[in-house]
Amino acid sequence: EAGVAQSPRYKIIEKRQSVAFWCNPISGHATLYWYQQILGQGPKLLIQFQNNGVVDDSQLPKDRFSAERLKGVDSTLKIQPAKLEDSAVYLCASSLTTKQFFGPGTRLTVL
Amino acid sequence: SQKIEQNSEALNIQEGKTATLTCNYTNYSPAYLQWYRQDPGRGPVFLLLIRENEKEKRKERLKVTFDTTLKQSLFHITASQPADSATYLCALDIKGNTDKLIFGTGTRLQVFP
Repeated sequence: EAGVAQSPRYKIIEKRQSVAFWCNPISGHATLYWYQQILGQGPKLLIQFQNNGVVDDSQLPKDRFSAERLKGVDSTLKIQPAKLEDSAVYLCASSLTTKQFFGPGTRLTVL
Repeated sequence: SQKIEQNSEALNIQEGKTATLTCNYTNYSPAYLQWYRQDPGRGPVFLLLIRENEKEKRKERLKVTFDTTLKQSLFHITASQPADSATYLCALDIKGNTDKLIFGTGTRLQVFP
């Protein structure tokens, strides 16, 4: 069974630039999550989709972050403009029930 | 305020011993509690889930306990091996309109030969 795919694996940008991350969940998983993990901390949920609808985006900084999940499969997370404090690993996860399956993450460095 | 606390210091133990990791929480009423393992440069991997009405769950060398009165979960690895070295994350499953996980900061375990 193929796992959750994410790209790119690494990204370095300067502050005020924009960046986009892509996620392909496990086939058949209706729920998709984006997390931000800052070094030394646990993952923090940014947004959760059920199929192509948003069910929780309470911790998404909506002035600069946006996410979409077209056709209820792939998802993209965008940051525009990036700030220094956005440097983190961005994890995508998907689930069918309670157990979540995570991708390898995208490590973002904002200079 | 709502908090999830795990041992902030790394846990160093000798191979063959039992590792015990702690997860304490306040002001949450989780329906489930999950434990994940995370290796450097990788995403978390699910290990075990325990429900609020379960006291203990086992899987091979792993054992989890859940005390909703103390608001604490203990995660044990028996006969630990160097390959068990990783960061272990506890996550509270908060049931509401959606199924939402709140993660602790993780405990880094180092098993040395």
